[in-house]
Amino acid sequence: AQKITQTQPGMFVQEKEAVTLDCTYDTSDQSYGLFWYKQPSSGEMIFLIYQGSYDEQNATEGRYSLNFQKARKSANLVISASQLGDSAMYFCAMREFRGGYNNNDMRFGAGTRLTVKP
Amino acid sequence: NAGVTQTPKFRILKIGQSMTLQCTQDMNHNYMYWYRQDPGMGLKLIYYSVGAGITDKGEVPNGYNVSRSTTEDFPLRLELAAPSQTSVYFCASSYSKGDYEQYFGPGTRLTVT
Repeated sequence: AQKITQTQPGMFVQEKEAVTLDCTYDTSDQSYGLFWYKQPSSGEMIFLIYQGSYDEQNATEGRYSLNFQKARKSANLVISASQLGDSAMYFCAMREFRGGYNNNDMRFGAGTRLTVKP
Repeated sequence: NAGVTQTPKFRILKIGQSMTLQCTQDMNHNYMYWYRQDPGMGLKLIYYSVGAGITDKGEVPNGYNVSRSTTEDFPLRLELAAPSQTSVYFCASSYSKGDYEQYFGPGTRLTVT
């Protein structure tokens, strides 16, 4: 079963505007972590932001924030004030912490390609 | 620090050949991972290691083998390469488990023809 769903294969945003990238996940665990990674055209994977399932506040890192809605099982990434350098693939990922923090099986979504237009 | 390094960057293999993808990290991380990324897809975990001498299977381990004799190195071995193994391979490491971010290498683009 698909654990992570990113329904937007591609998104466009005007420079300096905000954009939301959708991510929904499927888990029966109460304890899990959600990650967002950026993959520019050069291919490397860059960690952006993390949200734990027990974190009460939405995570923020600079221009990135995570809109975490636990009941809906969604973890959308919000990028404020988009820049041309934000054009990239963005991947949502989840790690379930069943049995404690020993599980290392991180599942990735298929990604969303964001294009920032000048 | 170099972070996570991978060699080679590109490789073309013929069906049935074998090769080893090298991965080294200099951050003294205990946890290391191998992922593959097929075109237009997210990453899938092949194998991981929680420390020297300890490895375990991920989501897609068939056709691969790993070893972890040192903290720094985590090579991935492909035996009898098949076209289905054409992919980009990423090595990653993390300080610990759980909520720690993973640091990724630049990737190895492998084509099997």
